Amino acid sequence: KQEVTQIPAALSVPEGENLVLNCSFTDSAIYNLQWFRQDPGKGLTSLLLIQSSQREQTSGRLNASLDKSSGRSTLYIAASQPGDSATYLCAVRQETSGSRLTFGEGTQLTVNP
Amino acid sequence: ETGVTQSPTHLIKTRGQQVTLRCSSQSGHNTVSWYQQALGQGPQFIFQYYREEENGRGNFPPRFSGLQFPNYSSELNVNALELDDSALYLCASNVWGYTEAFFGQGTRLTVV
Repeated sequence: KQEVTQIPAALSVPEGENLVLNCSFTDSAIYNLQWFRQDPGKGLTSLLLIQSSQREQTSGRLNASLDKSSGRSTLYIAASQPGDSATYLCAVRQETSGSRLTFGEGTQLTVNP
Repeated sequence: ETGVTQSPTHLIKTRGQQVTLRCSSQSGHNTVSWYQQALGQGPQFIFQYYREEENGRGNFPPRFSGLQFPNYSSELNVNALELDDSALYLCASNVWGYTEAFFGQGTRLTVV
């Protein structure tokens, strides 16, 4: 059974700092991994999708890396802003599970002005 | 291109009642998945629908059921509501397979 863990559970940083969010998964037979952002009480916004054959994916100030063999992904946020404050979730899609996503519990990020 | 939309946004029900939640998939998407998110936790997969049939189910009892319609929209039905069913219910759509999933804004269900 796939298990996804995100560390840290919460993070508070000053504005402008570069930061790294971590995601690990126990079963390396994944097809892809997706990072999401969730504002309080809202739905999920897709940030980046990284295929199992890729090492990195970038979008603006965000960079996601994937090491499938070691079961790890990181989300790097450059020059953080107060508007980045949200919960960040990673989710993996198994090679045999179709559209089903298995989520971690998220990292709650607060960026202080 | 319209995104994933869910209705209603909020709902309060009494224990033992039944509820129906609705989801319209993003244009061009043929697969809908439903997730339950308890407060402070990550979303948990309930089931997914493709070609109007359930195609994969998580660890949820049979009182959680669903439908998918020919236009790919979907309903989630929950019978005999329990207090623990209080959660944010999320719908996601994508093209069948391993493509990027897009989520709606969720329905907040409170069972009292």
